[in-house]
Amino acid sequence: DVKVTQSSRYLVKRTGEKVFLECVQDMDHENMFWYRQDPGLGLRLIYFSYDVKMKEKGDIPEGYSVSREKKERFSLILESASTNQTSMYLCASHGRDSSRYGYTFGSGTRLTVV
Amino acid sequence: QKEVEQDPGPLSVPEGAIVSLNCTYSNSAFQYFMWYRQYSRKGPELLMYTYSSGNKEDGRFTAQVDKSSKYISLFIRDSQPSDSATYLCAMSYAGGSYIPTFGRGTSLIVHP
Repeated sequence: DVKVTQSSRYLVKRTGEKVFLECVQDMDHENMFWYRQDPGLGLRLIYFSYDVKMKEKGDIPEGYSVSREKKERFSLILESASTNQTSMYLCASHGRDSSRYGYTFGSGTRLTVV
Repeated sequence: QKEVEQDPGPLSVPEGAIVSLNCTYSNSAFQYFMWYRQYSRKGPELLMYTYSSGNKEDGRFTAQVDKSSKYISLFIRDSQPSDSATYLCAMSYAGGSYIPTFGRGTSLIVHP
């Protein structure tokens, strides 16, 4: 089974802190994604990457950046955390063969910014 | 109008009931239709997908696509309390962008 592992299940950070959320997948997938999920708003795409060192903005990139130095790892960075970034963050990946239908999600990181 | 509409629920049914979960969409270019199940405090997991129109069955789950009506359904037979979760539909194109469009999810509660 494809595994997408997010390093933390729960995080509490202070306003203004720089926050790193890590995601690792073990199936050699080319494409990786970061979403946030909020009640009533559903899933919103923050950034995605289709190759090492490549990144594309999603629908809500403001306040975030990403890093993909290795194929299996995709990091989401909150440059200066704010309370409105309190959310559930989900990492996902898929390979080129399953790109139309085969997202695999991680278990999520619930981030609280105080 | 949002591209994909999904009633948030909650939908509450007794154990053993047949459940129908639905999504409507506006973009006729969608060709792949997916259903994800998300348990509380977990990430979504892909349940099943269909390509274009038609039905697909997997155990107690049946996915249906009606492209003429721009309407997709997920049926769950003999529902169990373990089916209690949020169900998200998603759709994507056959070419061009591979980023799917998600519905906001329907919360299902199956009570014993």
